[in-house]
Amino acid sequence: KNEVEQSPQNLTAQEGEFITINCSYSVGISALHWLQQHPGGGIVSLFMLSSGKKKHGRLIATINIQEKHSSLHITASHPRDSAVYICAVSISNTGNQFYFGTGTSLTVIP
Amino acid sequence: KAGVTQTPRYLIKTRGQQVTLSCSPISGHRSVSWYQQTPGQGLQFLFEYFSETQRNKGNFPGRFSGRQFSNSRSEMNVSTLELGDSALYLCASSWSGSGNTIYFGEGSWLTVV
Repeated sequence: KNEVEQSPQNLTAQEGEFITINCSYSVGISALHWLQQHPGGGIVSLFMLSSGKKKHGRLIATINIQEKHSSLHITASHPRDSAVYICAVSISNTGNQFYFGTGTSLTVIP
Repeated sequence: KAGVTQTPRYLIKTRGQQVTLSCSPISGHRSVSWYQQTPGQGLQFLFEYFSETQRNKGNFPGRFSGRQFSNSRSEMNVSTLELGDSALYLCASSWSGSGNTIYFGEGSWLTVV
């Protein structure tokens, strides 16, 4: 049983396209994180959400707590956005204890 | 400000041996958490330490252990290595835990042969 489901698993887009990655979860959470992982392993936290919407440059993240659903949008996608995007939900009110989605592998073609 | 530093970056061990991985968090961060990433299971939470105490623990066998020192540096140890322990082990730090941005290290690639 997966507490966190992501879709799609793989995504190929043309440069400039609008991209959406979805995350659904089945547990109570204190926060949801969107992570980006490039080849080689390093992970960067893009957003931390507990409600509403956040925007950073061309990236937008939204969360609907009632529906237990979050989306990550990339506007005007660029080849440098090619990476694996991972949804992670924090289930602890005090510490960092996460369930992770399986990741979405994004390739943006020039 | 220096990021999260993990050592060693790559190592190869033999089945049955033990291994110790080290993580130095960002200065001032008191929460250090550890994760295992494999192609089959993806990312899984191992444990989290805060102020030298284990605060949260994932569902891993007792062969996986860790500790945190007074300077917030953390180590994790895996005893009696199995082939299935081959993975990328990631460490992350944050200021206090839930509700704070989390910063990951580059990871330690462990191969068990």
